[in-house]
Amino acid sequence: SAVISQKPSRDICQRGTSLTIQCQVDSQVTMMFWYRQQPGQSLTLIATANQGSEATYESGFVIDKFPISRPNLTFSTLTVSNMSPEDSSIYLCSVGERDTTYGYTFGSGTRLTVV
Amino acid sequence: SQQGEEDPQALSIQEGENATMNCSYKTSINNLQWYRQNSGRGLVHLILIRSNEREKHSGRLRVTLDTSKKSSSLLITASRAADTASYFCATASVYNQGGKLIFGQGTELSVKP
Repeated sequence: SAVISQKPSRDICQRGTSLTIQCQVDSQVTMMFWYRQQPGQSLTLIATANQGSEATYESGFVIDKFPISRPNLTFSTLTVSNMSPEDSSIYLCSVGERDTTYGYTFGSGTRLTVV
Repeated sequence: SQQGEEDPQALSIQEGENATMNCSYKTSINNLQWYRQNSGRGLVHLILIRSNEREKHSGRLRVTLDTSKKSSSLLITASRAADTASYFCATASVYNQGGKLIFGQGTELSVKP
C-alpha cells in the first residue's frame, strides 16, 4: 500500500493568516482525499482532489476557504485560509480506491491550533 | 449529516474481555472499513468487508455486515491494554466512483490492565 508524508505535523497560527498543508505519496494515485477532524470528533471529508481537474468539495466546505492543489499524481496541498480559532483541528490526507482490497492510507495528520 | 452512527460512543472494559462496537450507515455500500486511531494520530486500517460478504476475521478481529439493516459490528476478542484507541467505521458508497470514505462517529475504547 502507499506511504504518505504529510507536513507540517503541527502548527500554531495567528487568526487571519493561512496555512498550507502538503501530502506527498510514494506512488501515483488517482484520488486524494482531505479530511478535517475537530477536537473529540470523527473525520469529516472536506474534498476529493483529482489530478487535472478542480477539487470536488463536500457540503459546508468552499474553495475560497480551503483551496486545494493537485499538480500531479503524487502530490497535493490543502490551504486553510483566513483562519479563525474554529479552524483548530487535525487535518488529514488520504489515498485509496473504492475497489481496494487493502483499505485506504492516511497521512499522519497536521494538528492546527489557531490563536 | 453525512456520517453514520456508531455505538457505544465510549466503552471501558478489563483486559481479556471482548469489546463489541456497532456501526450503522445510510447508503448502499461497495465496502465498509474499520480503522483505529491512537490519541489523535493517523488512522490505521484494520479490516475491510465487501457488500457481498457477511463476516470476516483477522487475528483477534471479527467483523460482520448486515446490508439489509445497513449495519456492521467489530468484535475484538481477548482485549489488551494496547487496544485502547478510538475505532471508526467508514463506508465507500456504490454511487460514488471516486471512492470517498464517509466515517461514523467513532467508539472510544478503554482497556484497563
